[in-house]
Formats: sequence, C-alpha cells, structure tokens
Amino acid sequence: QSVLTQPPSASGTPGQRVIISCSGSSSNIEFNYVSWYQQLPGSAPKLLIYRNDQRPSGVPDRFSGSKSGTSASLAISGLRSEDEADYYCAAWDDSLTRVFGGGTKLTVL
Amino acid sequence: QVQLVQSGTEVKKPGASVKVSCKASGYPFTVYYIHWVRQAPGQGLEWMGRINPKSGGTNYAQKFKDVFTLTRNTSTNTVYMELRSDDTAIYYCTREGDVGAFDVWGQGTIVTVS
Repeated sequence: QSVLTQPPSASGTPGQRVIISCSGSSSNIEFNYVSWYQQLPGSAPKLLIYRNDQRPSGVPDRFSGSKSGTSASLAISGLRSEDEADYYCAAWDDSLTRVFGGGTKLTVL
Repeated sequence: QVQLVQSGTEVKKPGASVKVSCKASGYPFTVYYIHWVRQAPGQGLEWMGRINPKSGGTNYAQKFKDVFTLTRNTSTNTVYMELRSDDTAIYYCTREGDVGAFDVWGQGTIVTVS
C-alpha cells in the first residue's frame, strides 16, 4: 500500500481534459514539493512536473500540476492517444525518504 | 548528453546477492544524489534509497535497509546497488536534479530470481 493515494485508473476521449489526484498527509505533500512522472509501456519513467506546478523544457503545456493542502493534481488537457501511460506522483516524506503514489493507468478511449 | 547507463539483466538464485551498476556521464558526478527505485512486475514505483556521490552517505527506506546497500566509485562515476532480497523486479537508478525531482533515469535493470 502506497503512502500517497492515487486512483488506479482514469480515462478520457481525445481532446478531453483529465485530472489525476494524489492524496497524502502533513508529513509529505503538505509541506514538500510534489513531482509527477509519466511511464509509457516498457519504458523508464519521465519527469513531467516538478515543484508542484513547473514543467521541464520539452513537456507540452497540456500538462499542468497543482497542489492544495495535503493533495495534488495532474491535469492533462487536449488528451491525445500518446498520453496513454501510467502516471505517478512523488514527494519527500519527513522521514528523509521519498514516497510515490501507487500510479494511475490512463486510457485514451 | 546527460545519461545514466545501467548494467544488464541479472538472473540470481534465491538467497544469493547481486550487484547492479549505474554509470553517470555528461555532468559532474559528485553534485547530484543518485536514487534507486524498484518496480515489481505489474506494480508501481517504490523508492528504495539514495546515495550522495560526493560523501558516500546513504539513506534507505526502512523496508530495504537490511537487504540493500549503495556504494559509489568516483573514479569511474559509477554507483553500485547490492541487493540481497529475492524479489524479481526492474530496478532503476535516477538522478535528483537541481529542481529536486528525478530528472534523469537509467534504462532499468531486470533482476530475476530463479
């Protein structure tokens, strides 16, 4: 069981907006930065969002992150077939460890 | 370019240990922490621990502290993970970059226990 809680699955049709949630606690999300990772089938994860809402260069602005209290969210707008992947949130925990969410499998219908 | 290249697939017998390497290139090796992340078949990502390549200092997740050891060689810019658990999984090394997130990932090493 993961420290950060994500829905196991999400779906949308091309062009739609999808939001994936990540719920934590005061020992991780509330007072630490959240990052998000995309893992395409058979590939290593890739950084999508850092410091809650910042995008690395090369990541489309269709991807956005936000945080409020002990929860964070990843929004994907203008959904495309190539967005079909697993998405993970991560944060520092007060015990000097990193914690991940359980992952959300996004299906583009 | 900045990259982490891991050693190849390992098959190990139950009870044996295995050592996986992660070679960094394209950036100053001692500046950034290297972390290791496990992914069991069909499962999510699990943080195992990290090493400070400059000092050699380590932090481990409680779950792995007795079965997992990280070391580094600053002459070859390589981090080593020695694993003593019998868990078949893909093991990734990843760099904690300037932005405090995992910005570079190795390709993953499959460790199969058989």
